[in-house]
Amino acid sequence: GAVVSQHPSRVICKSGTSVKIECRSLDFQATTMFWYRQFPKQSLMLMATSNEGSKATYEQGVEKDKFLINHASLTLSTLTVTSAHPEDSSFYICSTFVGGYETQYFGPGTRLLVL
Amino acid sequence: SQKIEQNSEALNIQEGKTATLTCNYTNYSPAYLQWYRQDPGRGPVFLLLIRENEKEKRKERLKVTFDTTLKQSLFHITASQPADSATYLCALETGTGGGADGLTFGKGTHLIIQP
Repeated sequence: GAVVSQHPSRVICKSGTSVKIECRSLDFQATTMFWYRQFPKQSLMLMATSNEGSKATYEQGVEKDKFLINHASLTLSTLTVTSAHPEDSSFYICSTFVGGYETQYFGPGTRLLVL
Repeated sequence: SQKIEQNSEALNIQEGKTATLTCNYTNYSPAYLQWYRQDPGRGPVFLLLIRENEKEKRKERLKVTFDTTLKQSLFHITASQPADSATYLCALETGTGGGADGLTFGKGTHLIIQP
């Protein structure tokens, strides 16, 4: 069964608004979660590493003030896309480790469309 | 940073035949390499992990090889079925290993098994 959930699965918003995406680990604690972004026919690109109780680590080229990450509990990480623009339209996916630090389990993804 | 190349964007195979997908990487050799399956509009699902000291790993109809000299991994699906149609992603850890790293993905090979 699913070990990671995301909400919402799909969101449409107007340009300039902010959108929050939730990633939850089900029935286990996740001290580390990852956020990826995938454009059509492109590979998943790691955006940031979310650590419970501390600041997220962002990959080069990812604006930390635009993509706010909060990992306030061991089962929830949130990604907020602030002042979203059409170029932020993408598929956002979170993941975490389950038992060890190798294999990652991914959420079902959130499709964001900014009009 | 690692660059991962996967052999083609689309691969058509007749049902019952063996599908072989290729993953090549540059730069340093990773401690392990992973293969994931991704269906349209969904998050990736872990399939197999192979370590640098392993030449081959099998799981049911799946087989993965890892050649660190060639910097290449091959992913085989034997007795392929239409339900195997999906995009298959090759992934390596972003760091030099040993920690809780995110993954670097290839663009993926879109496999189509024709009845």
